[in-house]
This record gives sequence, structure tokens and C-alpha cells, in this order.
Amino acid sequence: EVQLVESGGGLVESGGSLRLSCTSSGLTLSDAWMNWIRQAPGKGLEWVGRIRSNVDGGTTDDATLLKGRFTISRDDSKNTLYLQMDGLKTEDTAVYYCFASGRWGQGTLVSVSS
Amino acid sequence: QAVVTQEPSLTVSPGGTVTLTCGSSTGAVTSGHNPYWFQQKPGQVPRTMISETSNKQSWTPARFSGSLLGGKAVLTLSGAQPEDEAEYYCLLSYSNFRVFGGGTKLTVL
Repeated sequence: EVQLVESGGGLVESGGSLRLSCTSSGLTLSDAWMNWIRQAPGKGLEWVGRIRSNVDGGTTDDATLLKGRFTISRDDSKNTLYLQMDGLKTEDTAVYYCFASGRWGQGTLVSVSS
Repeated sequence: QAVVTQEPSLTVSPGGTVTLTCGSSTGAVTSGHNPYWFQQKPGQVPRTMISETSNKQSWTPARFSGSLLGGKAVLTLSGAQPEDEAEYYCLLSYSNFRVFGGGTKLTVL
């Protein structure tokens, strides 16, 4: 069974950085189009970005509103997906999920204080 | 950036049928938008119900179905159960980005 597990969330001050990770059992991440999705408290789902599978080029796309502050990458040797978040703002406070092949991780909470 | 629209709320009677729609500000939704439907109950992780317009996941009850109708992606629930009360989100893919709809709060009452 495919399982996705996020980690790396926590409390950070505005302007700071954080790196989230997503590991998997049962799924080789380099074979999948991996997405990061977030959900602010009491709000809807918001697509953050994705990385294509290696066979599809391994390139990334991200939501325009992020203005390049977030970077998605993958370490195939560790079967791990990353979300590097820089220049964090209070409005980035959310639960961050990784999503692929119909599966969701349990999410990791990022809280940005002013 | 495209805007994806969903009904903010819908109500269905137990055993009844309801249709949730997902539209795009860029025009008709097609299979090329690779529509997904997700169910989320309070305090829980979202759950994928439909992928690629109409493909059910192994855990998706048979009463749920996905399709395209009238230029929109559609999630149909036939024979609603109390446990189907939840928020439902659609997700559409564009050339280099994806966009969620604002969600439909479905009440079974």
C-alpha cells in the first residue's frame, strides 16, 4: 500500500525559511508527478506546485502567487520530495500535504508568526 | 491564473441524488483538464474520490461517479448516505499549473 509521510513543519518567524520533506513507502517518487498542496486554517485546498516524473523531464511548476519563494525538488536516492520555503509570510500558515497517484500524506503544519 | 468555480453549498436528502459541478474561467472543462474530485470531512485529510474525470479509486463507493456535462466536470452522488456529508473539492490541470475550486459543502439532510 502506498503511504506518503510529510515532515519538517513547525513554527517560524516571518521572513524565515523551512524545508518540508515527503517520503514514501510503496511508491517510487521519481516515477510519479508529485504535488504539494496546502490548506490554511478554516480555508480550502490550494495547489502549491509539482514536480514531474523523471520520464516526463523532472521539471517543476509552482503557483504564480508564490512568486518564486518556494522550490520543489526531489532526491531520488532517498525517495524523498522536498519543499523549500523561503521568505515565509504569515499567510503561508497552513497544513502542507504531498499528493501523488491519488494518495495524500497526513500533512505537516507550518505556522508563520509575525 | 484560471479560476475554478464550484457551488458553495448543496443539500441532498438521504437516498437522493445530487450533482456537484466544477467550471473553469477559461472555458469548457475537458478531459484534458484531468479533473479530480476530493472529499474532506472536518479534521480529516482529503480523500481522492475521482481522478481523470471518471476513474474511481479502490475505496470510492459505487454511488459516486464523475463525468463531463455542459462544459463542466461533474460529480454525481446517487443514493446519498449520511456519511457523505463533507466538503468536496475539484482540481483542474492547466498547461503548467493546477487550480482547486473553492469547495462545495454538501449537507445530507
